[in-house]
Formats: sequence, C-alpha cells, structure tokens
Amino acid sequence: KAGVTQTPRYLIKTRGQQVTLSCSPISGHRSVSWYQQTPGQGLQFLFEYFSETQRNKGNFPGRFSGRQFSNSRSEMNVSTLELGDSALYLCASSIGQGTMNTEAFFGQGTRLTVV
Amino acid sequence: AQKITQTQPGMFVQEKEAVTLDCTYDTSDPSYGLFWYKQPSSGEMIFLIYQGSYDQQNATEGRYSLNFQKARKSANLVISASQLGDSAMYFCAMRDRNRDDKIIFGKGTRLHILP
Repeated sequence: KAGVTQTPRYLIKTRGQQVTLSCSPISGHRSVSWYQQTPGQGLQFLFEYFSETQRNKGNFPGRFSGRQFSNSRSEMNVSTLELGDSALYLCASSIGQGTMNTEAFFGQGTRLTVV
Repeated sequence: AQKITQTQPGMFVQEKEAVTLDCTYDTSDPSYGLFWYKQPSSGEMIFLIYQGSYDQQNATEGRYSLNFQKARKSANLVISASQLGDSAMYFCAMRDRNRDDKIIFGKGTRLHILP
C-alpha cells in the first residue's frame, strides 16, 4: 500500500510569486490535513479537507488556500510569497471524519524556500 | 495556550539504554487520542504509537511503549534498547473534539543516541 506522496520535495521561489503543493493520501483515506513547520513556530495547522470540503482552518492569512479533489488528492496554494513562508509543508492523511481516534500518516513534506 | 507540553528540548542517551520522553497534555474532552511521531533529519513525520483515552492498557509497538497516566494527563514515550537510528526529533500530539479533531503538536524533543 503506497504511503502519502507529496510533490515536489523541494522548491525555491522568489518573493511575490505563488506556489502550489500537492498531496496524494493513502488509498482509501478521505481526510487530508496540511501543516507548516518552521524552527521558530514548530508545527502549525493550516487546514483540513474531507470529501472535497474544508472542515477546519488554522490561523493563517488568506494567501494560504487549499482544495481537495474527488479522488482525495489535495493541493495547497500560497500566493504572493513572503520570506517568512519558507518552511517544511507537511500533509497528513487519515481515514476520515468521525474517526477521531485514528492515526494520521504524514508524507515526506515539501521544503519551500522563498528568496 | 499550549496544550501539549514536552519539557525536554534535547536529550543525550547511550546506545542500548532505555529512554523516556515526557509529554503532558491538557483537554476537557473525555474522548481524545494521543500520538507520538518521529521526525528524522529527512523531514518525514513517522507515526510511532497511538493511545486512545478510553484504552485500558498502555499502547506498545515493538520497542516503543506509551506510559499513559490519565489522571496526571501524561503520555510519556518509552524507547527500549535505543539504537543509533533512533536519533531524531520526537513529537507528542493530540487530537480531540474540542479542536474539531485536528491534531496539535508539542514543540518536540531532539533525541541523540551516543555510540
């Protein structure tokens, strides 16, 4: 069974550009969550999608957005990039809603550097 | 307010010794799940072990066990017979309905295994 796949693994962008990151969850999993990890702030929740609907959203500006497709794959987009957006972006896959007490499996992450 | 507390920013342990990583949590929800993840330098978040709030026994997974003390709101990770490959960041995490099931993480503990 394939794990969670995030693409690309590494990305370098310049300020003001936009970026799209992709996450393919484990087959059969319908919930995808996104996290930003920085040395200073640690792991911060961005948003969660279930069945193509955003179920939760963290405390991030509107420049951060996401979506989920019918096959459960998810993308997150960051527009007008700032230097502070440099981080490791992690995607987590879970079976789905109503299964709170189940583990979430993470991908290898996308390391974004904004210059 | 911080809801997951990991008081050990870093630890050094001799190879083959057992190690305990501390984690305390705070929630008013009687139903919650506790997780431990390992993050090596590659960045991937590797799921280690899960403990449900209603589980009667402490969770175990190979060399990993979770010392769950519900009254104290403590969920320490115990690694037996440590190996050099155990060197990594370790995160304690929690999921409960008060946060709409999203997972929150502690700041992590960096574990160094010495040969």
